[in-house]
Amino acid sequence: GENVEQHPSTLSVQEGDSAVIKCTYSDSASNYFPWYKQELGKRPQLIIDIRSNVGEKKDQRIAVTLNKTAKHFSLHITETQPEDSAVYFCAASRGNTPLVFGKGTRLSVIA
Amino acid sequence: DAMVIQNPRYQVTQFGKPVTLSCSQTLNHNVMYWYQQKSSQAPKLLFHYYDKDFNNEADTPDNFQSRRPNTSFCFLDIRSPGLGDAAMYLCATSNGQGGPYEQYFGPGTRLTVT
Repeated sequence: GENVEQHPSTLSVQEGDSAVIKCTYSDSASNYFPWYKQELGKRPQLIIDIRSNVGEKKDQRIAVTLNKTAKHFSLHITETQPEDSAVYFCAASRGNTPLVFGKGTRLSVIA
Repeated sequence: DAMVIQNPRYQVTQFGKPVTLSCSQTLNHNVMYWYQQKSSQAPKLLFHYYDKDFNNEADTPDNFQSRRPNTSFCFLDIRSPGLGDAAMYLCATSNGQGGPYEQYFGPGTRLTVT
């Protein structure tokens, strides 16, 4: 089955700097790669997703890149703000199979 | 607004006393999921329904059962809760037709076992 590895597990950045979180997946048939943000005590919220027919997607300060050959995808947050502090999860799935989550990255943005 | 609703938001039960958590959705999605999430960990899939078809994860304990009486509702039954079952339980839905599609999470039920 699918296995998703996520790095780093914790990340601290200064406000205004960029943050990058990386994930690798094992199933070459996976075709959907969402990123979720989870604040303390709240539900995971989808912040951006990408499908395997696209190499990059951007939404304001957030971007995701996908390298199908290397089987990895990354989340990029630019101009970080304190409210970006949260746990971020990557995930992967193919077709209608359930998402397989990475273990999460705790991002701290230091003002 | 279309959404995923979970009740109750907080549940306290005693060790060994059965408890039921509920989830409802107004999205008319045909796939519903139950996840267990412990502190600082990723959500762990317990089972999911694709329409009425029940899919149990191999490592989900027998202590956990589920019912989906109709498209809108899904229940998680914990028959004999142990201290290790204290966690946040998240329900999620997705549109499984021709997927993959986004999963929408409910707000979760935080279960405490005393």
